[in-house]
Amino acid sequence: SQQGEEDPQALSIQEGENATMNCSYKTSINNLQWYRQNSGRGLVHLILIRSNEREKHSGRLRVTLDTSKKSSSLLITASRAADTASYFCATDGNQGGKLIFGQGTELSVKP
Amino acid sequence: NAGVTQTPKFQVLKTGQSMTLQCAQDMNHEYMSWYRQDPGMGLRLIHYSVGAGITDQGEVPNGYNVSRSTTEDFPLRLLSAAPSQTSVYFCASRRGQANTEAFFGQGTRLTVV
Repeated sequence: SQQGEEDPQALSIQEGENATMNCSYKTSINNLQWYRQNSGRGLVHLILIRSNEREKHSGRLRVTLDTSKKSSSLLITASRAADTASYFCATDGNQGGKLIFGQGTELSVKP
Repeated sequence: NAGVTQTPKFQVLKTGQSMTLQCAQDMNHEYMSWYRQDPGMGLRLIHYSVGAGITDQGEVPNGYNVSRSTTEDFPLRLLSAAPSQTSVYFCASRRGQANTEAFFGQGTRLTVV
């Protein structure tokens, strides 16, 4: 079964609003990563947070990690129509090379 | 650099046919993986490799074979295609050390009729 469970499955917001996506996982991890996928394209890496980190920022992205609850969240501030995409979390555990993805959140940002 | 290159981009197979999906990377990455993506299922790991000559099964390996004879190439073989293998397939690579990001190809859309 997949390691990550994402919530919500779909999110629709207006431009300028913030978007929050959540990811829960089941086993211990070395790090957790977030990826973006535009329709019909491959995935693009957004941000990586290590297991000993609690929060990380990159531009308009803010990621938090709570290893006690086995959960992470991705916040996109001041959303733009161009942020419309699917967002996936992925967990990197103790098995080298094995990156396991969640089911994704489909974000729609309306102009 | 080209990054991760997948061929073909589209393929239609008949049930029972065999084919190989190609994946090549030019970044000298040790780790390579194959995923399939189905609606509502996210990406599921089929097989992965931590270096030339080393492969292992992922979450959904049945019906697929892989080999890794070189660092650059990681082909995925379907020996006898089934309609359940209709999907979009992604290859990914990353450096063989802790806390590294994955780079993805553009995908192969496979339809088995």
